[in-house]
Amino acid sequence: EPEVTQTPSHQVTQMGQEVILRCVPISNHLYFYWYRQILGQKVEFLVSFYNNEISEKSEIFDDQFSVERPDGSNFTLKIRSTKLEDSAMYFCASSDVNSPGEKLFFGSGTQLSVL
Amino acid sequence: DQQVKQNSPSLSVQEGRISILNCDYTNSMFDYFLWYKKYPAEGPTFLISISSIKDKNEDGRFTVFLNKSAKHLSLHIVPSQPGDSAVYFCAAREYGNKLVFGAGTILRVKS
Repeated sequence: EPEVTQTPSHQVTQMGQEVILRCVPISNHLYFYWYRQILGQKVEFLVSFYNNEISEKSEIFDDQFSVERPDGSNFTLKIRSTKLEDSAMYFCASSDVNSPGEKLFFGSGTQLSVL
Repeated sequence: DQQVKQNSPSLSVQEGRISILNCDYTNSMFDYFLWYKKYPAEGPTFLISISSIKDKNEDGRFTVFLNKSAKHLSLHIVPSQPGDSAVYFCAAREYGNKLVFGAGTILRVKS
C-alpha cells in the first residue's frame, strides 16, 4: 500500500536554529498537511497546502513556519528559528482530490527536540 | 480547544468481546467524523469515517455510530483482537480540510 514517508525520524537542534522537516506524500495525492503532537497533548493541525499554496493554517503556524513543495514529490516544513516549545512529533499527511480532509494518510512522524 | 472530547483515557477489554470507544463534540458545523488508530512510533492510521448526514457506517469488525442530537459518536469493535490494542483518536472535520482531534483513548485487548 502506498505510504507517506517522512525524514528524518528524529531531529535534535539547538534553540534558534533553523530546521527543515521533509515529507514525500503519496504520489497521486494533491492535498498536503502538517500536524503536530506535543508530548501528552492532542494532535494539532498546522497547515494545509493545495495547488502550490497554503489553503488553511492554524494560529500556531506563525511567521516562523513555512511550507514548500520544491519539486514534484517533496513537501517540506521549515521552522526558521526554533523555540523550546516547538519540540513535538510532526506528522505530514496527504489526501487525494476526491476526499480532501476526509481521509488523510499520515506519515510516521519526525520527533523534533529543541534544546 | 475542547471541540472534540474523548473522556476515557483508557479502556481494557477481553479478546472476543466488544470494545466501545466514545467521543463527544461541541461544534455543530463538523460535517465529517473519523476514527484513527495509532501504534507507538507510527503515524495515525485511518480506520473508518462517517458523514454527518448518516447515523451508522460499518466496515468489517468496525462500526461507527453518530448521534447528532447528542453530539456523540462511538466506535464499536466486534470481536476485539489483541492486535487492536492501540491509541484510538476521534477526529472531526470543519469546513475546508482541517481535522480537529480528540485526546485519544488507549485500548488494551487482553488475550
